[in-house]
Order: sequence, then C-alpha cells, then structure tokens
Amino acid sequence: AQSVSQHNHHVILSEAASLELGCNYSYGGTVNLFWYVQYPGQHLQLLLKYFSGDPLVKGIKGFEAEFIKSKFSFNLRKPSVQWSDTAEYFCAVLNRDDKIIFGKGTRLHILP
Amino acid sequence: DTGVSQNPRHKITKRGQNVTFRCDPISEHNRLYWYRQTLGQGPEFLTYFQNEAQLEKSRLLSDRFSAERPKGSFSTLEIQRTEQGDSAMYLCASSLPGQAPWRAFFGQGTRLTVV
Repeated sequence: AQSVSQHNHHVILSEAASLELGCNYSYGGTVNLFWYVQYPGQHLQLLLKYFSGDPLVKGIKGFEAEFIKSKFSFNLRKPSVQWSDTAEYFCAVLNRDDKIIFGKGTRLHILP
Repeated sequence: DTGVSQNPRHKITKRGQNVTFRCDPISEHNRLYWYRQTLGQGPEFLTYFQNEAQLEKSRLLSDRFSAERPKGSFSTLEIQRTEQGDSAMYLCASSLPGQAPWRAFFGQGTRLTVV
C-alpha cells in the first residue's frame, strides 16, 4: 500500500535559516504527492502538490518541493523561514483507492 | 465565516459515555469526509459521504462509531461507549461535486479527550 514517512518529528530553526523537511514515499507506480500545513489553532490546508511534469513544484508562502523518483523522495524546502512558518507539516500521498494517506507530521518551531 | 465548521471544538468525556460531533460543510459541497488524528500521527480516513449516502467506511470505524448525513448537508459522528483510545482530533473536510479528496477544505477539528 502507498505510504509516506517523514524523517523529522520536531524541527527547531532560527528565523532566516533554510528549511528542508524530508519525506519518502513507498513505491507504487504513479504517485500523486502533497504537502499540507496546519498553523496553530487553524485548519489543515494544502501547501503544494505534485502529479507529473516539472519535479520542482512551488507552493504558497515561498515553499517548494522536489520530486526525486530515484530516491522516492518529496522534500519540502524554503530558503529563509519566518516566525510565522511555525506549524505542523504533513507529507501525503494519494493511494490507489483515491484516499489521502498522511505521514506522521513534522512540528516546525521557528525562533524569533 | 464560510469555511467548514465543527462543533464542539473540544470535548472531555468519561470513559463509557457517548459523544456526538457535528460538521457543517461549505455550502454546495456535496462531498464530506471524516478523519481521525491521534497524537503523533497524521490524519487517517474514517468515512466519506456524497450527499446523504455514506459511500465508504474505513476499518478504523468500529461498531461503536456511526456517522450520518441525513439531509446531505451537515454530518454527525457519534461514538458510543467511548474508550481512552478514542482520544483524538476528529477532522471533517468537504469538497465540491466531482472534486478529488485532496481538494477538500478541512475544518479546525473537534478534540476529544476520554478520561
């Protein structure tokens, strides 16, 4: 079954630092991959998605992710984080049954 | 606020009691999803409605769980004889007809604590 694993459960960075959150997906043919974000006290929302084409996808708020098929990875990146990026980030994959399978999440804490 | 609304936001209950949560989807969204998120985990699919029809149920949805969407608008999720393992955030999401689940909008969730 399709699944994703996130390497880091908790990341602490200072403002202006660069961010990379790891995500690996299980092999399963065509992959549809997503990153979601949940800001404190707010609802879960879609950050970016990859279906096909350009492996570097750009999302909202300056985030991007790169699909690397050879590494089964879909890491989330941001060149310079802000305090407002403090949130929980979920990598996810759409499985064959058209269900979203979420990773365990990474809590990102940005120090001002 | 025109987003997905969930009530209550927090619920503390004693083990063995029944609880019911409500989800009001975005207007004209005929697809409605329930997810459960336990501590340290991502959301897990529970069930899915299209209008009033419950089209899918996860194996996670035990006999003690029942979801309804009687008029194709709001939905309720009831847990009977709650157990400590039911403590979790219960999320609702909705989407327009024909839209894939990743396009769904999520509510803020109902946090259940069973003591």
